[in-house]
Amino acid sequence: GIQVEQSPPDLILQEGANSTLRCNFSDSVNNLQWFHQNPWGQLINLFYIPSGTKQNGRLSATTVATERYSLLYISSSQTTDSGVYFCAVPERETSGSRLTFGEGTQLTVNP
Amino acid sequence: DTGVSQDPRHKITKRGQNVTFRCDPISEHNRLYWYRQTLGQGPEFLTYFQNEAQLEKSRLLSDRFSAERPKGSFSTLEIQRTEQGDSAMYLCASSLARGVEKLFFGSGTQLSVL
Repeated sequence: GIQVEQSPPDLILQEGANSTLRCNFSDSVNNLQWFHQNPWGQLINLFYIPSGTKQNGRLSATTVATERYSLLYISSSQTTDSGVYFCAVPERETSGSRLTFGEGTQLTVNP
Repeated sequence: DTGVSQDPRHKITKRGQNVTFRCDPISEHNRLYWYRQTLGQGPEFLTYFQNEAQLEKSRLLSDRFSAERPKGSFSTLEIQRTEQGDSAMYLCASSLARGVEKLFFGSGTQLSVL
């Protein structure tokens, strides 16, 4: 199946810093989603971004599908940004959104 | 839009017991997914439904696991004869399979098998 690798595995920031999280995937995809899992376990869908760039407040994401990677940018980080960030892509040739998740980037933002 | 809800939030059971979890998707969503997540890992796909039809099952879903979505609305996931290796967070997600298919997750059911 498709492989998804995320880096870095862990990231510690001071409030106000910027960061970039990376997601590499092993095959062409038509769907890529970024999620934030908060410390209580809730997964929040941040972006649906199969290609191009999208922005939502302090967060933006870019997917370069031809080179099989996606980046998530967090600017002016806040303590509430802490948690685990996952990217997920669909298994090839399956119906629906049977997503394969990376192992995540654990982000800690200190005040 | 009340979001995806799951019940119970936590379940502690003894090895060998049966457990059942419930998921209520976002009301207009026609697809419903079950995932499992263990500590330090990303969620892993278990199965999904389109309306009431179960369309795919992962190899992770052993014969002890069964899922239903009887009227195309809520879904249940049952684990029979639980084992300690079943301890995990069980996540439900739903989506509207029309154009852009974004998944929306519930808060999960944390299962601990003693």
